[in-house]
Amino acid sequence: GQQVMQIPQYQHVQEGEDFTTYCNSSTTLSNIQWYKQRPGGHPVFLIQLVKSGEVKKQKRLTFQFGEAKKNSSLHITATQTTDVGTYFCAGGKSNTGKLIFGQGTTLQVKP
Amino acid sequence: DTGVSQNPRHKITKRGQNVTFRCDPISEHNRLYWYRQTLGQGPEFLTYFQNEAQLEKSRLLSDRFSAERPKGSFSTLEIQRTEQGDSAMYLCASSPKLRLGYEQYFGPGTRLTVT
Repeated sequence: GQQVMQIPQYQHVQEGEDFTTYCNSSTTLSNIQWYKQRPGGHPVFLIQLVKSGEVKKQKRLTFQFGEAKKNSSLHITATQTTDVGTYFCAGGKSNTGKLIFGQGTTLQVKP
Repeated sequence: DTGVSQNPRHKITKRGQNVTFRCDPISEHNRLYWYRQTLGQGPEFLTYFQNEAQLEKSRLLSDRFSAERPKGSFSTLEIQRTEQGDSAMYLCASSPKLRLGYEQYFGPGTRLTVT
């Protein structure tokens, strides 16, 4: 079945350093979504990428969707303590709404 | 608060008992999803509804699990004859109509502990 893998599983950075998490799907996706889950919280939607090679920015966050629509990345510039949490990518197939989540990358930021 | 709500927030039950969880989605959302999440893992898809129709159910889901959305509004997830392996956070999410990609809005979850 379809699998979505994320690396790294954990990342500890000093505040101000950059952070990147990578997501790879075993199959071609129609879209990829990114979610953030704070400790003790529930996943919160961040963004959706649909087009091959698409790049979207949200302030210090940059999201990319690969040309083959099988991989994606999230890059955070100059991390802050408020960035702490687990970042999940989730791959979607057209017309189903079903998402397959990666196992997440947990970010810790040292002040 | 107009977000997704779930009840109860916590449930402790003994092995072999049946449990039922409720999810109230955002009112204008026609799609509703159930996921299960265990510690250190991403949400695992269980099933989803478009209005009252259950369109897909995970093959990983045993026959002990059943979900309903009788009027296309709230949904219930029932687990019969619970096992210790059912202990997890059960998340409900909803998504709006006719939006490409169907970004999902999650509720706070119901944490199930089977003793």
